[in-house]
Amino acid sequence: SQQGEEDPQALSIQEGENATMNCSYKTSINNLQWYRQNSGRGLVHLILIRSNEREKHSGRLRVTLDTSKKSSSLLITASRAADTASYFCATARLNNNDMRFGAGTRLTVKP
Amino acid sequence: NAGVTQTPKFRVLKTGQSMTLLCAQDMNHEYMYWYRQDPGMGLRLIHYSVGEGTTAKGEVPDGYNVSRLKKQNFLLGLESAAPSQTSVYFCASSYIYPSYEQYFGPGTRLTVT
Repeated sequence: SQQGEEDPQALSIQEGENATMNCSYKTSINNLQWYRQNSGRGLVHLILIRSNEREKHSGRLRVTLDTSKKSSSLLITASRAADTASYFCATARLNNNDMRFGAGTRLTVKP
Repeated sequence: NAGVTQTPKFRVLKTGQSMTLLCAQDMNHEYMYWYRQDPGMGLRLIHYSVGEGTTAKGEVPDGYNVSRLKKQNFLLGLESAAPSQTSVYFCASSYIYPSYEQYFGPGTRLTVT
């Protein structure tokens, strides 16, 4: 079964707007990672947040983690058409050697 | 650095045929993974390896076998392909788990008729 569940499944915004995607998970984790996938391509790592961190920034990306609610959010500020892609959260579970991915949020940024 | 490469990029099999997918990485990573991606399902882990000569089952291992004879290569085998194995297969590698990012290959699109 999948560990992460992204919300919304699809998001369409105008260039320049902010995009927020959410991820919920079920079990205790070591860290949570966000990946981007352009159509027909492999996944590209965006950012990793450890279980003892609450917020992390990387360029236009801001990730938050609330372990009490077992949820994370990814904020992309000042979106660009090039940000159009699917975004996946992935959880590295405690005491386990595998990573579980959610079904993803498909983001469309209109120019 | 080529990163993670996968061969072939596309393949069509008939039910019952066998094939091997090859994944290669040139980053000296210890961990390697095979995932499948189906529409609306995200990625699901098939098998993984924590080092040369080791393999372990992931979330959906049935119908697949793997081998890691060399550190840089991770092979995924389908012994008797079924239509349910139609999917896009991704290989990934990471330096160690779980604190490091995974690097993904471009994927192999497999269709079983």
